[in-house]
Parts: sequence; structure tokens; C-alpha cells
Amino acid sequence: ETGVTQTPRHLVMGMTNKKSLKCEQHLGHNAMYWYKQSAKKPLELMFVYSLEERVENNSVPSRFSPECPNSSHLFLHLHTLQPEDSALYLCASSLKAAVVGDTQYFGPGTRLTVL
Amino acid sequence: DQQVKQNSPSLSVQEGRISILNCDYTNSMFDYFLWYKKYPAEGPTFLISISSIKDKNEDGRFTVFLNKSAKHLSLHIVPSQPGDSAVYFCAASEGGNEKLTFGTGTRLTIIP
Repeated sequence: ETGVTQTPRHLVMGMTNKKSLKCEQHLGHNAMYWYKQSAKKPLELMFVYSLEERVENNSVPSRFSPECPNSSHLFLHLHTLQPEDSALYLCASSLKAAVVGDTQYFGPGTRLTVL
Repeated sequence: DQQVKQNSPSLSVQEGRISILNCDYTNSMFDYFLWYKKYPAEGPTFLISISSIKDKNEDGRFTVFLNKSAKHLSLHIVPSQPGDSAVYFCAASEGGNEKLTFGTGTRLTIIP
């Protein structure tokens, strides 16, 4: 498989559940990103990892916990979410972070519904 | 406070004609601008970009124009094709790419 993949594609969870979203990139990139897209809102950057180190945390609540074990994998661990956290969660990667002209490549997203 | 605005949520254009998608921004520190295209059930895909040192960048049927004084950019697609039907997002960054600020998107429909 090529590009950026995300699993699962759809997830329904209760507010007391713990789940994880997974992202994998096969592009040899060194930077990975989590974005959130709520209905009728622009994509919002959540986290940035560069060479497995978190370089950006965009004031995201602690119920979202990212993990980047290596440059190819990125996880978003979810616990005690709220219904307003229901959204499309997109993962992206780029060759390097903070380089002008370095394009971000997106995965297909995970559609999360919190009941 | 939205720093990148796409004021037209939707646009319909006849096949073969020109599609013009618009984007306005408020942050004068933005120096790099991108357009992404998104099909249903897929992630956004990069289309074309422009640096603030230029006012035009062309790639095949796609041209992006930047008017810094008006803080406005536009994407022209000519001629428009049915496969261009998608949601188009404008994005901007300041001094690097790790923090892209996106607009809400414009849904383009090409009418055969």
C-alpha cells in the first residue's frame, strides 16, 4: 500500500470508551500531523511530530493523546471523549516540518462519532 | 476568528468553461499559500501552491493568482472537466509549513 493510510475509517464510541486511531505513511517522510475537521469548520491542526518528537500541540484537550513510535506511524489515543469531539480526523505527512514548499500529504481520515 | 476565508460554499460551472475559486486571508504574515482538492471519502490532495514572492503560478489547467495588497488569492481551472468536481480548500502558512491554516472549502460541481 502506498501513501498515507488511516484505520479505522469509521469509529463509533461511547464517552467512557478508550480507542486509538492509527496512521501509517509509506512515503519516507519525517513529519506527521493530526488534523480535526468538524462539520462546516476548517481543518484544525492538532499535533505535529518531526522525527518522532512532538513539535506542536495546538491547545488540544488532554483526552486526545498522540503517540509517534517511529517516523512511519502515528497514533491518536482517545479517552473520555465528548459528543462535540465527533469529527473527521485526518492524518498527514511531509518530508520535513517547517520547510516552506514542503507539501503535506493526507490520509483518507477516520470519521469518529461519540455517543 | 477565521484567518482564511472561502466565502462561497459552492460553485457550479459548465464543462469546458473556466472555474474561479476565491480565497481571502487576514494575516499579513502568511507567505505561502496552497490549494487542496478533496473527493468524498478521501483525504485532501495537494493541487498547487504559490509563494508570496510571486503573483501567479501555473500548472497545466490550474493557475493560482495572488494579490497581496488585497490579501486575496484565486484558483482558475480552465477548461473545467467533470473530474474537477470536488471540494477545494485554500490553506496558508507563515514562515514554514507545519501550521497550515485552512479555509472551510468550496464545493465545485462541473455540469456536463
